[in-house]
Amino acid sequence: KQEVTQIPAALSVPEGENLVLNCSFTDSAIYNLQWFRQDPGKGLTSLLLIQSSQREQTSGRLNASLDKSSGRSTLYIAASQPGDSATYLCAVLLSNAGNNRKLIWGLGTSLAVNP
Amino acid sequence: KAGVTQTPRYLIKTRGQQVTLSCSPISGHRSVSWYQQTPGQGLQFLFEYFSETQRNKGNFPGRFSGRQFSNSRSEMNVSTLELGDSALYLCASTGPKPTEAFFGQGTRLTVV
Repeated sequence: KQEVTQIPAALSVPEGENLVLNCSFTDSAIYNLQWFRQDPGKGLTSLLLIQSSQREQTSGRLNASLDKSSGRSTLYIAASQPGDSATYLCAVLLSNAGNNRKLIWGLGTSLAVNP
Repeated sequence: KAGVTQTPRYLIKTRGQQVTLSCSPISGHRSVSWYQQTPGQGLQFLFEYFSETQRNKGNFPGRFSGRQFSNSRSEMNVSTLELGDSALYLCASTGPKPTEAFFGQGTRLTVV
């Protein structure tokens, strides 16, 4: 059974720091991995999508890497800002077909960036 | 291009009642998935609809059901509400490759 774990559960940093959020999954047979951001009481905003054949994706100050063999992904946030404060969720799509066509989620990392 | 729209944003219901939530996907997207988010369990998959057919289902009781219309809009229904059904219900719209999911703002359901 696929399980997704995110470490740390919470993180508080001063503004300007570079930081790394971790996501691990138990079964390397994934179709893709997606990082999301969630603001309190709101929906999810897709940040980065990494296909299983890819090693990393970048968008602005965000960089996500994927190492399927070790079952790990990291989200790197450069020069953090108070506006980055949110919960960051990682989810894996097991398959693009059949009963495994569903996202399996970590519980998220709650990030606070202090001015 | 409009995003995923979920209505209503907030609902308060009493135990035993039933509720219907609505989700309009991104134009051109035919797949709609529903997720339940609670503080303790995180996000849990409910079901997925594609071209008006349920394609996949999670491990929720039969009180949770859904449907999809020809315009790809989807509804989720929960009957005989229980206190434990209080959660944020999120709908995801997925287009063709690369199978990226886009989420609505969610419906916050409170059962009292």
